[in-house]
Amino acid sequence: DAGITQSPRYKITETGRQVTLMCHQTWSHSYMFWYRQDLGHGLRLIYYSAAADITDKGEVPDGYVVSRSKTENFPLTLESATRSQTSVYFCASLGSSSYEQYFGPGTRLTVT
Amino acid sequence: AQSVTQPDIHITVSEGASLELRCNYSYGATPYLFWYVQSPGQGLQLLLKYFSGDTLVQGIKGFEAEFKRSQSSFNLRKPSVHWSDAAEYFCAVGGTGNQFYFGTGTSLTVIP
Repeated sequence: DAGITQSPRYKITETGRQVTLMCHQTWSHSYMFWYRQDLGHGLRLIYYSAAADITDKGEVPDGYVVSRSKTENFPLTLESATRSQTSVYFCASLGSSSYEQYFGPGTRLTVT
Repeated sequence: AQSVTQPDIHITVSEGASLELRCNYSYGATPYLFWYVQSPGQGLQLLLKYFSGDTLVQGIKGFEAEFKRSQSSFNLRKPSVHWSDAAEYFCAVGGTGNQFYFGTGTSLTVIP
């Protein structure tokens, strides 16, 4: 399917566990982003990537790791999950000509 | 530093009434400005964007927004609200290095 997808859509994990959220886009957009959405904070940028093998920190990167070996994939890993990382996570890609961000459906992560 | 302020956390309007959602931004250069809508459990969808030119921009679903540089504002308007417009609305500014900054959102309730 064309577009941007995220998996899983829902995830419950325990404190201290490692968890990886997947993001896949079919447009070959260069830029990709990870945001977290929390009540009262809107969307905050965790990491972004300008191209394969190029990543950079956003506003709230602590506790997260990203990689981008292929243009179409941008996984986000929580190396040791904490309760404060309970959130809804959105992946997005940036249209190069439209300068419009296209968002995935989100992953709701609960850390117990 | 770039930032976006949406002063209204929650707004309630009657169906058929007009709507204005406020957005103020802080950005040193000419900003790229966006309004997104998020329905419950969904990702974000672009309503409209401003890059340059005419300061009144038209978007999808009958929305428009006006860029006022002197007031650092980019308010969203709709002349007649429909029940299906009930959602969360986010204003965003595109900044240096293709980073985007989002406001905390305004939740819109539409009453019949």
